[in-house]
Amino acid sequence: NSKVIQTPRYLVKGQGQKAKMRCIPEKGHPVVFWYQQNKNNEFKFLINFQNQEVLQQIDMTEKRFSAECPSNSPCSLEIQSSEAGDSALYLCASSPPGLGNEQYFGPGTRLTVL
Amino acid sequence: GDSVTQTEGLVTLTKGLPVMLNCTYQTTYSPFLFWYVQHLNEAPKLLLKSSTDNKRTEHQGFYATLHKSSSSFHLQKSSVQLSDSALYFCALRSSALGRLHFGAGTQLIVIP
Repeated sequence: NSKVIQTPRYLVKGQGQKAKMRCIPEKGHPVVFWYQQNKNNEFKFLINFQNQEVLQQIDMTEKRFSAECPSNSPCSLEIQSSEAGDSALYLCASSPPGLGNEQYFGPGTRLTVL
Repeated sequence: GDSVTQTEGLVTLTKGLPVMLNCTYQTTYSPFLFWYVQHLNEAPKLLLKSSTDNKRTEHQGFYATLHKSSSSFHLQKSSVQLSDSALYFCALRSSALGRLHFGAGTQLIVIP
């Protein structure tokens, strides 16, 4: 079973408000990913880190989204100004180093933007 | 670019029957393929993985074989159970950056 911890499990925000969620990856996993799963169950990759450094991020993340993975602290994903279209399940996953290793997912933070 | 195609959006089966969920992929790199299962309000959990051509991999009664010649990694089970009702995602990881490319998912519903 995955040991990725995500908080909070549920988050409700008004449009324009900040929304922040956190993730503690599995111990020993230096690679962390954030995905957005929409109401149609489609996955969208947002950003990934290796040892606190950003590896890749999509354009959406570069604009209203910010994320970090500081050493000795939980990783976080923050939406600066929430929009209705941001309502989704935000999944954090961690992976041991190496190309072929699987990703282990946390339970997600379900964000609802009213 | 990399992509994964799952052709069935919904599969409804009677308990005890066999199932095959289709997955094909596109990549120019050496592929790693995964099947994840997601039950309602739960995290996706790894079901199977493979990077070896023509080798069958099995877990919890499910099995799949990666066929690089046809770019396929179909998920099969010989006898589905009620507890198998869930969303099933095929995913591809092909770059050193490691992000997963997911298919659209297949909802499996098993009825008594």
